[in-house]
Amino acid sequence: SQELEQSPQSLIVQEGKNLTINCTSSKTLYGLYWYKQKYGEGLIFLMMLQKGGEEKSHEKITAKLDEKKQQSSLHITASQPSHAGIYLCGAERVKFYFGTGTSLTVIP
Amino acid sequence: NAGVTQTPKFQVLKTGQSMTLQCAQDMNHNSMYWYRQDPGMGLRLIYYSASEGTTDKGEVPNGYNVSRLNKREFSLRLESAAPSQTSVYFCASSEVSGGLEQYFGPGTRLTVT
Repeated sequence: SQELEQSPQSLIVQEGKNLTINCTSSKTLYGLYWYKQKYGEGLIFLMMLQKGGEEKSHEKITAKLDEKKQQSSLHITASQPSHAGIYLCGAERVKFYFGTGTSLTVIP
Repeated sequence: NAGVTQTPKFQVLKTGQSMTLQCAQDMNHNSMYWYRQDPGMGLRLIYYSASEGTTDKGEVPNGYNVSRLNKREFSLRLESAAPSQTSVYFCASSEVSGGLEQYFGPGTRLTVT
């Protein structure tokens, strides 16, 4: 079973709509990373969260780590076609591991 | 800076053949990683090298070997390829292991028939 569960697995939204992707761990997270992967390419780092309650934003993307540090959400405001891709959360406990990913399609 | 480079980009092997995937980074990073990405399984760590001269197993090391040739280069070898090793392989690096973002290469798409 995956240590990091992401939901939903895939998402199709109309351009301009807001959306949220969740990443849930069964264990306390000491560092949660969000990456984006464009189709057919490598991963690009988006942001890292370490403290419970921490929230970070980059352009129209906001990520938050909940107080208990077992769940993180990634929120995109006013989605654009450039946001399309696969979003993966990652964490580190001795070794680095990733969630299964959420595939986002934005329809113009 | 080229970042993380991988060769080849695509490869088709027959069952039982061997090959080495090459990875190099020019960011003077200490730590390097090899992952495989499969549909429905996400990204899984095969091996990593926390620093030059050290390598450690990840989640799915069976069937693979690695060599940290120097600080820049980290290669992944398949001694006897199997269809189950059909996947997209990514190399990544980070300044140190732990607490820092990783930089990824563009990937190698491997098919084993």
